[in-house]
Amino acid sequence: GAGVSQSPRYKVAKRGQDVALRCDPISGHVSLFWYQQALGQGPEFLTYFQNEAQLDKSGLPSDRFFAERPEGSVSTLKIQRTQQEDSAVYLCASSLVPPTPWDTQYFGPGTRLTVL
Amino acid sequence: AQTVTQSQPEMSVQEAETVTLSCTYDTSENNYYLFWYKQPPSRQMILVIRQEAYKQQNATENRFSVNFQKAAKSFSLKISDSQLGDTAMYFCAFMGMNRDDKIIFGKGTRLHILP
Repeated sequence: GAGVSQSPRYKVAKRGQDVALRCDPISGHVSLFWYQQALGQGPEFLTYFQNEAQLDKSGLPSDRFFAERPEGSVSTLKIQRTQQEDSAVYLCASSLVPPTPWDTQYFGPGTRLTVL
Repeated sequence: AQTVTQSQPEMSVQEAETVTLSCTYDTSENNYYLFWYKQPPSRQMILVIRQEAYKQQNATENRFSVNFQKAAKSFSLKISDSQLGDTAMYFCAFMGMNRDDKIIFGKGTRLHILP
């Protein structure tokens, strides 16, 4: 595709529900990142994949958060038993080669999750 | 730990004026990278400009330029001849050069370009 796409764009969940957020990176991009952006804040790193391998998940806030990229392309971020503090925009980004600062990360439009 | 501080939550300028967005950071590293990202209402983060700390020359990209002061740990963004399409959130970001380093973003500055 032309860019990184994410779906859904908006998600409303009741507290305690499970949600799944999808990211379609740019075709051929090796690296994929998930970020969480709370209201009025900058994005914060959640996890990083190189192809299908999850190389860094140090930013995941709790064991309720789980991410996968089984075939090295599409990725899903799953949040179990959602809490109100999970309300945020979840951004996905991809880059062509393993993360180096000089390789641009291309961001998707994000999924705005609201937990009631 | 590295931190990035943007002290201006919101700014407004008239179209065609020049505006400068401030950013300071804290790190004990000598080599690193700095970025400015733009996030319009569509939420899609766009890289505006980047600077390698080992380069003394300030980076420029068309109407966008930076004033990088390494000793002061300051990295401001100047937008010349501002346009209505420049209206967005602007995030300053830092990234170290170690393999496990991630991008660290500031809280952002909301910039309004007024017609």
